[in-house]
Amino acid sequence: SQKIEQNSEALNIQEGKTATLTCNYTNYSPAYLQWYRQDPGRGPVFLLLIRENEKEKRKERLKVTFDTTLKQSLFHITASQPADSATYLCALLSGGYNKLIFGAGTRLAVHP
Amino acid sequence: GAVVSQHPSRVICKSGTSVKIECRSLDFQATTMFWYRQFPKQSLMLMATSNEGSKATYEQGVEKDKFLINHASLTLSTLTVTSAHPEDSSFYICSAVGGDTEAFFGQGTRLTVV
Repeated sequence: SQKIEQNSEALNIQEGKTATLTCNYTNYSPAYLQWYRQDPGRGPVFLLLIRENEKEKRKERLKVTFDTTLKQSLFHITASQPADSATYLCALLSGGYNKLIFGAGTRLAVHP
Repeated sequence: GAVVSQHPSRVICKSGTSVKIECRSLDFQATTMFWYRQFPKQSLMLMATSNEGSKATYEQGVEKDKFLINHASLTLSTLTVTSAHPEDSSFYICSAVGGDTEAFFGQGTRLTVV
């Protein structure tokens, strides 16, 4: 069956450290993968998209990698700040209507 | 980025009544919008794909007569939860895909059925 898996346990890190979140998928062949941020009680906000022919993508303190052999994407936040605390979701497109399917998300807590 | 507006943000209704949720793309035309449902600490679950001018496509297990979707124009899709029951209480979110591939989400609607 098709699955998108993210570490369901919360990730707690100290301010200034690098946070690394993992997204693994099974039985999908996505042309690209996306990462979103979701704050409590709000809709997700798009952060980054990485295509299958891109190994790495950066945006300010964010970095995403995409390994189609391992079927895995890693999401890094460098120099993390308490304001980075949120749930981070990975997503990929599936199906003829370009349905965006999400992982369950990983909650990140950055402590001062 | 593009803006998707969703209303209401919160609604409390009595069991057996119907509730309508609106999703509008404010600065772009969305031929396709998506409706998701999210339970606490769980993933966004895709309910249906809403296509302008045609019937919505529902995901397996989602009752089309329960969750009525209308996409009357390129900027408006509505989700009506009919004969709501307490188990329908959830966070409902709409999204629209913009010019490229990223999705823009509404603020979400917290539905509580009492």
